[in-house]
Amino acid sequence: AQTVTQSQPEMSVQEAETVTLSCTYDTSESDYYLFWYKQPPSRQMILVIRQEAYKQQNATENRFSVNFQKAAKSFSLKISDSQLGDAAMYFCAHNTDKLIFGTGTRLQVFP
Amino acid sequence: EPEVTQTPSHQVTQMGQEVILRCVPISNHLYFYWYRQILGQKVEFLVSFYNNEISEKSEIFDDQFSVERPDGSNFTLKIRSTKLEDSAMYFCASSDLSRGLGNEQFFGPGTRLTVL
Repeated sequence: AQTVTQSQPEMSVQEAETVTLSCTYDTSESDYYLFWYKQPPSRQMILVIRQEAYKQQNATENRFSVNFQKAAKSFSLKISDSQLGDAAMYFCAHNTDKLIFGTGTRLQVFP
Repeated sequence: EPEVTQTPSHQVTQMGQEVILRCVPISNHLYFYWYRQILGQKVEFLVSFYNNEISEKSEIFDDQFSVERPDGSNFTLKIRSTKLEDSAMYFCASSDLSRGLGNEQFFGPGTRLTVL
């Protein structure tokens, strides 16, 4: 069965600092995609970044980057230069033909 | 920029009543999904829909649930007889071409369903 595990229910970071959110997954597929979604208090699901499993290069989107370790089935999200607006729930998700989400990490950003 | 829309934003209903949640996917998308998020919990897959039929459904999607694409634009989720435990945020999503594999699923803003 495909599973996604986020072991950090809550994280906090000081503004302008860097924080890393952890995610591990389990799948028997060889070709798949991984995503990080942000859910602010409005509860809208916003795509932050995605990684294609067949690509060795880690994805980067501005201040957001991932550390994808395929053998370890690990997919962590690094947020650099954290901003107050980054405060939200972050969900890791695995996609074959449907999204399987982790339980989320609530990120607090302190000024 | 095209977006997925959902109506209503909030629906309050009595237990046992039928509700229909509506979604308008992005116009050139072919794959449609419903997800559910009970307050404070993770987002869970309900059903996927392609070519006017259900592609896959989860254990949650029992006989009380149905989906329909009644015209070329709307995609609906019906709950026939609501239960208290159906109270949740319901998200519609759509994607194009490659059945969601790798293609981003675009999420609507959600409908918050409250069953009293």
